[in-house]
Amino acid sequence: QVQLQESGPGLVKPSQTLTLTCTVSGGSISSRNYYWSWIRQPAGKGLEWIGRIYTTGSTNYNPSLRSRVTISEDTSKNQFSLRLSSVTAADTAVYYCARLTYYYESFDYWGQGILVTVSS
Amino acid sequence: SSELTQDPAVSVALGQTVRITCQGDSLRNYYASWYQQKPGQAPILVIYSKNNRPSGIPDRFSGSSSENTASLTITGAQAEDEADYYCNSRDRSGNHHWVFGGGTKLTVL
Repeated sequence: QVQLQESGPGLVKPSQTLTLTCTVSGGSISSRNYYWSWIRQPAGKGLEWIGRIYTTGSTNYNPSLRSRVTISEDTSKNQFSLRLSSVTAADTAVYYCARLTYYYESFDYWGQGILVTVSS
Repeated sequence: SSELTQDPAVSVALGQTVRITCQGDSLRNYYASWYQQKPGQAPILVIYSKNNRPSGIPDRFSGSSSENTASLTITGAQAEDEADYYCNSRDRSGNHHWVFGGGTKLTVL
């Protein structure tokens, strides 16, 4: 059974960089059958796709966040990470990591989510 | 506003059938997936590739698609189906970007 677990600070100051890590168990992030994604959800609002990474190291980002986002992977630890720079209060949200199937393009496994608050 | 449009709220009487829709240009070329999210929980996949259910999802959930509209149908809605439902697909550019609908709050009366 695949499991994803987000980790990182729950509080980030404005203008700083938010960094989160997703640890995957029960499956390899090096698999060619999946992309690995970050998704966020502000309180009381809908889901927003942030970006994804593939085993080749290729990445794609939401155009609205592209200038501030970096997703990277550490295959030795079976982890992938999110960096979001120059954060503001608008970046306060629950952040999810999720597995995106290559063939059907659906998010089939999700982490439990981590609340990140941007505040001084 | 999202590239995928959903009705904000829908209600259904217990045991009746309800359809939740998702509209967007990208749906002419790409299938939608559907997710159920209950308060305080992560979303779970309920339908993928138009009308496929992951293991463990009851068969009262089904999907369909026509032109620019995808639909999620719950036949014989149960109290535990009360949740937010989100559709998702690629964005209209066709690039490797994905978008979600704004979500539909389903109330089971």
